[in-house]
Amino acid sequence: DAKTTQPPSMDCAEGRAANLPCNHSTISGNEYVYWYRQIHSQGPQYIIHGLKNNETNEMASLIITEDRKSSTLILPHATLRDTAVYYCIVRNSGSARQLTFGSGTQLTVLP
Amino acid sequence: KAGVTQTPRYLIKTRGQQVTLSCSPISGHRSVSWYQQTPGQGLQFLFEYFSETQRNKGNFPGRFSGRQFSNSRSEMNVSTLELGDSALYLCASSLVGQGAGTDTQYFGPGTRLTVL
Repeated sequence: DAKTTQPPSMDCAEGRAANLPCNHSTISGNEYVYWYRQIHSQGPQYIIHGLKNNETNEMASLIITEDRKSSTLILPHATLRDTAVYYCIVRNSGSARQLTFGSGTQLTVLP
Repeated sequence: KAGVTQTPRYLIKTRGQQVTLSCSPISGHRSVSWYQQTPGQGLQFLFEYFSETQRNKGNFPGRFSGRQFSNSRSEMNVSTLELGDSALYLCASSLVGQGAGTDTQYFGPGTRLTVL
């Protein structure tokens, strides 16, 4: 699976949009971009995933660049409960069944 | 639909003992994966089970084992516990587990194991 690079930490003001970047410059054509988050000592929570088109669900939006080498997770109106570690994972659609987690981005939403 | 459940949530053991952790997947999910999370190593894949068969295994010693039952519930066992086995053990289930990009894994709350 392609390696991802995320900033170790970010702050965001409550009520503002949180934009979390992820670089995956070695991504291949059949690899999906997944986002999970983990609130302290809880199990990771699935947020969203995509292949090449932008995706939106009730939690967030995922913007993938046209060359697919980077993506941005957008939380449109961050709340204090969105404070968590956010993981960007690139996952092969074929044989790789496990998720390979990096260090993620610690997002802190400030009041 | 109920989420992934794991029992027990907390466990304290001493070195040399063994431990069994349990995971009940989301109803209808047939694949169960286990992960270990430690402050030093982060989240690491242990193994994955599908239809009672281990299909994939991470880089862990043989002291770590697991199994899956016909109802897709899974257990993992750690024998001869070491201090370094103290970790959050996470179970994740997915519908089919074929590795398709759309086969999303959903995690349980984890079991916090402390080895003294």
